[in-house]
Amino acid sequence: KNEVEQSPQNLTAQEGEFITINCSYSVGISALHWLQQHPGGGIVSLFMLSSGKKKHGRLIATINIQEKHSSLHITASHPRDSAVYICAVLPGNQFYFGTGTSLTVIP
Amino acid sequence: ETGVTQSPTHLIKTRGQQVTLRCSSQSGHNTVSWYQQALGQGPQFIFQYYREEENGRGNFPPRFSGLQFPNYSSELNVNALELDDSALYLCASSLGRGPDTQYFGPGTRLTVL
Repeated sequence: KNEVEQSPQNLTAQEGEFITINCSYSVGISALHWLQQHPGGGIVSLFMLSSGKKKHGRLIATINIQEKHSSLHITASHPRDSAVYICAVLPGNQFYFGTGTSLTVIP
Repeated sequence: ETGVTQSPTHLIKTRGQQVTLRCSSQSGHNTVSWYQQALGQGPQFIFQYYREEENGRGNFPPRFSGLQFPNYSSELNVNALELDDSALYLCASSLGRGPDTQYFGPGTRLTVL
């Protein structure tokens, strides 16, 4: 059993749609990260959360520590948002990663 | 301010060989973590170095070893390569050992034949 579960695994959306990606974890954590990985491997850190909610442009990330659940929302999705989105949690100094959600936004 | 760089970009080795991958941290960062990402999977933590000392290790055998240098650049060494070692190897640097934002390099794609 993975410590971090993401859903859905794959997601196709029309440009402009509101998108939600979910992450559940089973360990106590000090922080949760949302990462974006484009084809070819490059990873960009989008958010680091330990409580509440953060917003950056069209991206919003929320976390509920009691329920061990986080969501990443993308408003007004765009084809350039197409990427794999990975949730990673930090129980100590070792990251546990989800397997990622592959998002494709169609023009 | 330079970002995290890794070399080489791609590498092909044969089973049993040894490989060294390199990572140059973002300026000012004293912590580097290495990850292995198999195709279609999320990254798996290999180990972390903080100020030249190992600061945590994932579930990888001893043939995976590392070094961090005084300038905080880092190496990942893998001995006795196996076919299953074929993966994307990512390094990430951060400031401190805590839950800080990690900055990832572009990765090294290793293929073991």
